[in-house]
Amino acid sequence: QSALTQPPSASGSPGQSVTISCTGTNSDVGGYNYVSWYQQHPGKAPKFMIYEVDKRPSGVPDRFFGSKSGNTAFLTISGLQAEDEADYYCLSYGTGSVALFGGGTKLTVL
Amino acid sequence: EVELVESGGGLVQAGGSLRLSCAASGFAFGAHWMTWVRQAPGKGLEWVADIKGDGSARHYLNSLEGRFTVSRDNVKTSVYLQMNSLRAEDTAVYYCVRNLGFHRLDSWGQGALVTVSS
Repeated sequence: QSALTQPPSASGSPGQSVTISCTGTNSDVGGYNYVSWYQQHPGKAPKFMIYEVDKRPSGVPDRFFGSKSGNTAFLTISGLQAEDEADYYCLSYGTGSVALFGGGTKLTVL
Repeated sequence: EVELVESGGGLVQAGGSLRLSCAASGFAFGAHWMTWVRQAPGKGLEWVADIKGDGSARHYLNSLEGRFTVSRDNVKTSVYLQMNSLRAEDTAVYYCVRNLGFHRLDSWGQGALVTVSS
């Protein structure tokens, strides 16, 4: 049960786009379309942002976009806003019904 | 509105036990998997365990080595995490989460802090 790999940090200016990657294996990210993304502000519980690779729950702005290629999933945030500054985590379903989180990416809005 | 409220956190000595509870409301509790996720201070999220709606299936993080047990009471709409033989590395905020299946974690509680002193 190894964690998925995310870059520790990412940044962008207001209005720009930023993409965060999440790399696993063909036993998790590459093998199933059950990748989800979570946003966490300091001192708060995580928030469900993307599920099944590219679906948005009700209420999540369409500036948040999920995708996948092979063993790597991506979260793209377009039109960056100050309130997007947060930690972002990916999560994948894995063989044996395990759940694997990425190590998290701290997004800074410059 | 979905509401999940954890309780039972606190300070415990290494080797001790603690039982977390999570009271759920606002949804058909027995129809959903429930999951526990933890976050050590300053660290990332870690999946701990989950349990099927009818309690017939449970999954655990391998490294727990059988020390934790997840259970539920669908009459009381509550889920529990019994933690035994606690270690310093179990120190974390523990979140109770509704799981839509395949680890789609859509609703989170506010978290309960567990501190294990060595």
